[in-house]
Amino acid sequence: DAMVIQNPRYQVTQFGKPVTLSCSQTLNHNVMYWYQQKSSQAPKLLFHYYDKDFNNEADTPDNFQSRRPNTSFCFLDIRSPGLGDAAMYLCATSRLAGATPYEQYFGPGTRLTVT
Amino acid sequence: AQRVTQPEKLLSVFKGAPVELKCNYSYSGSPELFWYVQYSRQRLQLLLRHISRESIKGFTADLNKGETSFHLKKPFAQEEDSAMYYCALWNQGGKLIFGQGTELSVKP
Repeated sequence: DAMVIQNPRYQVTQFGKPVTLSCSQTLNHNVMYWYQQKSSQAPKLLFHYYDKDFNNEADTPDNFQSRRPNTSFCFLDIRSPGLGDAAMYLCATSRLAGATPYEQYFGPGTRLTVT
Repeated sequence: AQRVTQPEKLLSVFKGAPVELKCNYSYSGSPELFWYVQYSRQRLQLLLRHISRESIKGFTADLNKGETSFHLKKPFAQEEDSAMYYCALWNQGGKLIFGQGTELSVKP
């Protein structure tokens, strides 16, 4: 089945130790998104790629970086995780053509714990 | 400002009762609105979008531009409808703006 895959599903890292979360898709969608979702809160967009064009949200901390080496893969790097970065991280993809909004397909998420 | 407001964090109803999950938005322009749902231990997924005017799993939502609302309704709730529901607004920058979510609990 075509889908959005996130690895790992659970990640534990130490305070200040860099961590990378990965997302892959078999949908061949041109847009990939990273969201942060804290407990009982709405998903918050961190950044997205429209093809190779990176679009950062104004309030995304510099501590968060992303890479998209090809259409299928996208990575979220947290350079120095703090306790406040513990959250569920959701990857999503969509097809985008002009201003037409298409459905976003979400991965299962990676739950990050910072000790 | 572009904003989506879901005033109820939790909505609890009995099976067979009507349900309405409220969503209000703030957007200058013609809005594109969606409802996403997350069932327990499953991924977030699209339930319906206003432009398709469809009914999914018995749910409907009508865009009311005068009241800037996009409430989700179902005449007879089922236990399997218990989930987290998010209203979302499409922003012309190619992004979804999510509301805070409403947890629907349908009791037997």
